[in-house]
Amino acid sequence: DQQVKQNSPSLSVQEGRISILNCDYTNSMFDYFLWYKKYPAEGPTFLISISSIKDKNEDGRFTVFLNKSAKHLSLHIVPSQPGDSAVYFCAVDSWGKLQFGAGTQVVVTP
Amino acid sequence: EAQVTQNPRYLITVTGKKLTVTCSQNMNHEYMSWYRQDPGLGLRQIYYSMNVEVTDKGDVPEGYKVSRKEKRNFPLILESPSPNQTSLYFCASRRTGDKNNEQFFGPGTRLTVL
Repeated sequence: DQQVKQNSPSLSVQEGRISILNCDYTNSMFDYFLWYKKYPAEGPTFLISISSIKDKNEDGRFTVFLNKSAKHLSLHIVPSQPGDSAVYFCAVDSWGKLQFGAGTQVVVTP
Repeated sequence: EAQVTQNPRYLITVTGKKLTVTCSQNMNHEYMSWYRQDPGLGLRQIYYSMNVEVTDKGDVPEGYKVSRKEKRNFPLILESPSPNQTSLYFCASRRTGDKNNEQFFGPGTRLTVL
């Protein structure tokens, strides 16, 4: 039962433009929402997170938006850089129990 | 260097032969967790541990065992591996109370069960 969905398996964006990644979840009891980035042959690395009591969190080029009524999470990367090419996973954390989406492969083109 | 280490990094085995994948962290983190990554499914949590001697099931615990006797180690045990446990496995740790809920992941263990 997939409670976290990333409906876009891939995204291609031009360098310098904005990348928008989306994630939907079903359970309104999740208390923390996270984004991880993964390069091939490496473990995922933490990117940014947001607690359920907020609707926006920003860290440099990365901004996460949380729309609780729509049960929707998004990640904005601006401007996109070639080093951003990776697989991005959204995750929801419910007191230590985590569920991840299937991931979105982002390719940043020159 | 602060890190999560996993051993072995690659393993090919046969059905039914017991194996253990070790995980160790040097950050004094209370929380540790195991995941498996499969194509099209993302990462799925197998087991997690909030602290020493405390373990809980994730979404896919069947066929796996864990133990948390010490804070730094969290081994994953497959008592009787089967081909459907062929996967890429990740261990992770986190400090309890971290403001970002950030987990640090190991480099992964690629397991093939024939």
